[in-house]
Amino acid sequence: DAKTTQPTSMDCAEGRAANLPCNHSTISGNEYVYWYRQIHSQGPQYIIHGLKNNETNEMASLIITEDRKSSTLILPHATLRDTAVYYCIVRVALLSNDMRFGAGTRLTVKP
Amino acid sequence: EPEVTQTPSHQVTQMGQEVILRCVPISNHLYFYWYRQILGQKVEFLVSFYNNEISEKSEIFDDQFSVERPDGSNFTLKIRSTKLEDSAMYFCASTLPGQGYEQYFGPGTRLTVT
Repeated sequence: DAKTTQPTSMDCAEGRAANLPCNHSTISGNEYVYWYRQIHSQGPQYIIHGLKNNETNEMASLIITEDRKSSTLILPHATLRDTAVYYCIVRVALLSNDMRFGAGTRLTVKP
Repeated sequence: EPEVTQTPSHQVTQMGQEVILRCVPISNHLYFYWYRQILGQKVEFLVSFYNNEISEKSEIFDDQFSVERPDGSNFTLKIRSTKLEDSAMYFCASTLPGQGYEQYFGPGTRLTVT
């Protein structure tokens, strides 16, 4: 699986959009981009995933660049409850493939 | 909304004792996983399980570990003789075959070995 690079930490003001970047310059054509988050020591929570098109769900939007070498997770109106570690994971979508978690980005939403 | 559940939430055991961590995956999911996270470290893959057998396992998953799906709902992780370094959060996850095979995680069991 391709490696990802994320900033160690970011701050965001409550109510503003949080834009979390991820670089995955060695991504292969059959690898998806997944985003998870972990609030304190809770279980990782699935947020969104995509292959090459931009995706949106009730939690977030995922913007993938045309060359697929980077992506951005957007939380449109961050709340204090969005304070968490956010993980960008690149992986071939197979049942047998585990999720390879890195260090992620620690997002702190401030009032 | 269906979710993965895990019991107990916290388990304290003495070194050398056996522990069994329990998980109830989402009911229509077919593929199950165990991960662990030592305090302050990354989430690490332990094992995946499909069709009543281990599909993949990491180097962490040695002979002290075993997994079982004893009935149609539970998925268990057994550690035969716990060591101090087994102290960690243990997360169960499950997935359903589909486009992205995204995995859904339980809340975890905190295992403390004394």
